[in-house]
Amino acid sequence: NAGVTQTPKFQVLKTGQSMTLQCAQDMNHNSMYWYRQDPGMGLRLIYYSASEGTTDKGEVPNGYNVSRLNKREFSLRLESAAPSQTSVYFCASSDGQGSGYGYTFGSGTRLTVV
Amino acid sequence: GNSVTQMEGPVTLSEEAFLTINCTYTATGYPSLFWYVQYPGEGLQLLLKATKADDKGSNKGFEATYRKETTSFHLEKGSVQVSDSAVYFCALSDNSGAGSYQLTFGKGTKLSVIP
Repeated sequence: NAGVTQTPKFQVLKTGQSMTLQCAQDMNHNSMYWYRQDPGMGLRLIYYSASEGTTDKGEVPNGYNVSRLNKREFSLRLESAAPSQTSVYFCASSDGQGSGYGYTFGSGTRLTVV
Repeated sequence: GNSVTQMEGPVTLSEEAFLTINCTYTATGYPSLFWYVQYPGEGLQLLLKATKADDKGSNKGFEATYRKETTSFHLEKGSVQVSDSAVYFCALSDNSGAGSYQLTFGKGTKLSVIP
């Protein structure tokens, strides 16, 4: 099925460890996004990529880096994990050609930092 | 900047009750408006959308009308079912000026429907 695939689904890290969250889409979308979801906070944008070769900071970029590897793939890296980064992370993609298209979301990565 | 405010939950309703979840927005341009639904343990799914004033989005018995004069996009359903239990997010999409259209989300409203 076409869509957005995120790996892994679950991860536990120790404080200070690093990891990369992977995201791939097969809809030939131009734009890709990383959000985090925390209780009572809704979804907050971490980074986005408007098109292949470009990335920009969102609302909460500190402690994260991203790579738009190609048009399909957009990864999120935590260089030195902290307990405050315990969250559910969602990747999304969109056609990016107009405001009416909305996003397609992956199923999320639940990350716990201990 | 853009913002979305939706009614806080949780909301608990009996099966077949009428549902309204309020959503108002602030935007500098002419946004498109969306409702997303998140079932337990899953990602967000697009429920419905409206791209201009007075448009009505509808899907699975849910409806919402884009009201520019009141800057609102309230979600309604005439008769809820247990399977509608989920978290509902109101969102707007506007031109970020960087070549992409970013979604701004409300904080979500958790709906529980009891038999």
